[in-house]
Amino acid sequence: EVQLLESGGGLVQPGGSLRLSCAASGFTFGSYAMSWLRQAPGKGLEWVSVISGSGDVTSYADSVKGRFTISRDNSKSALFLQMNSLRADDTAVYYCAKQVGSPGFEHCWGHGTLVTVSS
Amino acid sequence: DIQMTQSPSSLSASVGDRVTITCRASQGINNYLAWFQQKPGKAPTSLIYAASSLQSGVPSKFSGSGSGTDFTLTISSLEPEDFATYYCQQYNSYPRTFGQGTKLEIK
Repeated sequence: EVQLLESGGGLVQPGGSLRLSCAASGFTFGSYAMSWLRQAPGKGLEWVSVISGSGDVTSYADSVKGRFTISRDNSKSALFLQMNSLRADDTAVYYCAKQVGSPGFEHCWGHGTLVTVSS
Repeated sequence: DIQMTQSPSSLSASVGDRVTITCRASQGINNYLAWFQQKPGKAPTSLIYAASSLQSGVPSKFSGSGSGTDFTLTISSLEPEDFATYYCQQYNSYPRTFGQGTKLEIK
């Protein structure tokens, strides 16, 4: 059974940094691209970033480009999102998701971790 | 970026009803369209991919159709557990984009 468990969320001041983690199990982690998505309180879904299975290809939403960095450690089946220069509009539940298919879509999502950016 | 427009944004229906939600892409997406269901406080779950392929384990009361830029999700006979918010997503290109969601409520 695929399991994705996010951690690292919390309260951070504007301009601050936070690193999210996603622990994966139940599948061959390095064989799949992985995504981060988010959902602001009471709002819809927003795709944030993706990383290829090998980690050599990444893509970002314009809203986070230059501030967020996605990475992965296939030896530990772990996905990360380094978030810098955080703003109030980054406040959201952040989900990691496993992509399947080609092109890939977000087939399986974790339960999410809440990031609150506020002074 | 490809814009996804869902309608309606909310829908009231009764148990046993048949409902249809539509999703329009701002340009052709080669049928690379997925539908997700989200219940309050929970993560989204995948229902449909490639516009009309049912995800494993999803009941056959859910069906998807469409091509090019216009797509639909149909639920053939509503049950209490189907009242949720539904999102479409295009995965033809990056950035991936979602419709704004359709909240399905009990009448």
